[in-house]
Amino acid sequence: GPKVLQIPSHQIIDMGQMVTLNCDPVSNHLYFYWYKQILGQQMEFLVNFYNGKVMEKSKLFKDQFSVERPDGSYFTLKIQPTALEDSAVYFCASSSGTNYEQYFGPGTRLTVL
Amino acid sequence: GQQVQQSPASLVLQEGENAELQCNFSTSLNSMQWFYQRPGGSLVSLFYNPSGTKHSGRLTSTTVIKERRSSLHISSSQTTDSGTYLCALEANYGNEKITFGAGTKLTIKP
Repeated sequence: GPKVLQIPSHQIIDMGQMVTLNCDPVSNHLYFYWYKQILGQQMEFLVNFYNGKVMEKSKLFKDQFSVERPDGSYFTLKIQPTALEDSAVYFCASSSGTNYEQYFGPGTRLTVL
Repeated sequence: GQQVQQSPASLVLQEGENAELQCNFSTSLNSMQWFYQRPGGSLVSLFYNPSGTKHSGRLTSTTVIKERRSSLHISSSQTTDSGTYLCALEANYGNEKITFGAGTKLTIKP
């Protein structure tokens, strides 16, 4: 079936540094999402994005977070600066817009030291 | 309040038994998805089922909108079915966020 790719699979950085997580969504999908899952905890919504704009964001989507998809390339989540509590697995998803099924990537495991 | 509630939180069965996992939701529904989350964390999409019943091998998903519930049935369980099962609700207008339940941790003993 359709695949969403995420790069890198793992990232270890020092607190205060910037990190960019990359998502290659399903071709021709129009809606993009980021979710966060802290180890052992529930998957939670961060943000969704359509037509170059953030549609909705949760309280977890702090001011240090930003998303973009320049010129139809990767859909990115940038955290600047990172904090210890940002350590989690971040999942990207996309949907077509003709139905509401979301397709998920394998996740990027971010460790902030 | 909690929009999506999964039950049971954990379930232990003997191989060959059937498993019934429940998801109840408190808001209106646009779509319901069921996922299997591997121990490493990646998600396997099992069903996209906004209403009615769908089958896939030993798995059956039933969503009853009026009763605000969705279920996942696993027949003749196998040890490889062990893992965490998540339901996820998309409410409102479509193509918005999905809200995950806390999951059911299923353990199938040989």
